[in-house]
Amino acid sequence: AQSVTQLDSQVPVFEEAPVELRCNYSSSVSVYLFWYVQYPNQGLQLLLKYLSGSTLVKGINGFEAEFNKSQTSFHLRKPSVHISDTAEYFCAVQAFGNEKLTFGTGTRLTIIP
Amino acid sequence: DTAVSQTPKYLVTQMGNDKSIKCEQNLGHDTMYWYKQDSKKFLKIMFSYNNKELIINETVPNRFSPKSPDKAHLNLHINSLELGDSAVYFCASSQDEVTEAFFGQGTRLTVV
Repeated sequence: AQSVTQLDSQVPVFEEAPVELRCNYSSSVSVYLFWYVQYPNQGLQLLLKYLSGSTLVKGINGFEAEFNKSQTSFHLRKPSVHISDTAEYFCAVQAFGNEKLTFGTGTRLTIIP
Repeated sequence: DTAVSQTPKYLVTQMGNDKSIKCEQNLGHDTMYWYKQDSKKFLKIMFSYNNKELIINETVPNRFSPKSPDKAHLNLHINSLELGDSAVYFCASSQDEVTEAFFGQGTRLTVV
């Protein structure tokens, strides 16, 4: 079984400041890793994913994440946030050969003008 | 042109009623899912269908029954609704295990 821990339930950040949203996972098998974003009253949208290869993954809206196998982490970063980044961010894992996504509890990112 | 569409978007109903939520995807994907998001925003998979066959069935009460008439549709029927069923239900689809899942806008179910 897999599990995902998002250590911060809420992260307030000033506009144009950098941000890091933390994600750690646990799995006895190899996994794929994802970050999804949920804007208010909307569905989930994929930000980025790690399947294999380079551990630094770039996604949409200027976000990137780094897969660290030894620390079982997949932290999400953005060098300069914008008001429009205000949303709920979900980290998710998927075991090889299994289509089920296991989500973390989400991190609410609030941008302060 | 919506990729994954769910209807209705909002559903308010009384305890004990039976209701259905419909989902359609026009992406040509083989796999469809139902996820439940509770009041604390926690997302958990309920069911997964691949080409109309049930693949994943998490620990969900028997009152919840998915139905897939074809691979583009996955409906969720709920019998004898309870207060605890209040949540946002998301439909999603993916082509296979390594492609991203596309989510619908969600159906906010409120049981009163």
